[in-house]
Amino acid sequence: AQTVTQSQPEMSVQEAETVTLSCTYDTSESDYYLFWYKQPPSRQMILVIRQEAYKQQNATENRFSVNFQKAAKSFSLKISDSQLGDAAMYFCAYRLPNAGGTSYGKLTFGQGTILTVHP
Amino acid sequence: NAGVTQTPKFQVLKTGQSMTLQCAQDMNHEYMSWYRQDPGMGLRLIHYSVGAGITDQGEVPNGYNVSRSTTEDFPLRLLSAAPSQTSVYFCASSWGLAGTWFFGPGTRLTVL
Repeated sequence: AQTVTQSQPEMSVQEAETVTLSCTYDTSESDYYLFWYKQPPSRQMILVIRQEAYKQQNATENRFSVNFQKAAKSFSLKISDSQLGDAAMYFCAYRLPNAGGTSYGKLTFGQGTILTVHP
Repeated sequence: NAGVTQTPKFQVLKTGQSMTLQCAQDMNHEYMSWYRQDPGMGLRLIHYSVGAGITDQGEVPNGYNVSRSTTEDFPLRLLSAAPSQTSVYFCASSWGLAGTWFFGPGTRLTVL
């Protein structure tokens, strides 16, 4: 079974600084997808960024970027120029492609990292 | 386009009561799922569906039933509520081979 581990229960950063959230996963598959979701106090789950395992290039979305190390099974999220609105719980998640049957496509989540942004 | 909707937003039950959490999506997504979120444990999959009439169990299915009679709706039934089912419940939907999962706003359930 696939597992996702976020080893940092809490992180903090000063406004305008950079912070990196860690995520490791365990899988025997070669084709899969990785995600970072943000959960602010409103409780809504918001997609931040996704990475396809077959792509060597790291995904970026504005101030958010990832460091995807496939061999090391590591998928960290870097937030640049941190803003007060970035304060939230961040979840790393893994899924296999929807290749048919009921075993694929499910999301497996890490435990989450609470990010605090100090003004 | 409302996305994924869930009702109710909050619910308090007594031990032994039954209820249904509603979930609907208007994006014509094939895949739908239910998760529960507990402190320090992330989101854990309860049940999963890959289309109307097809469901499968997730990581923590005990005490919950689902059915999927239409593409749009995926209700979650608690047959006999227990305090261990106190949690926040999320419904999500997805499409295609590599679709992103979209989440509803969640239901906070308390079982006394």
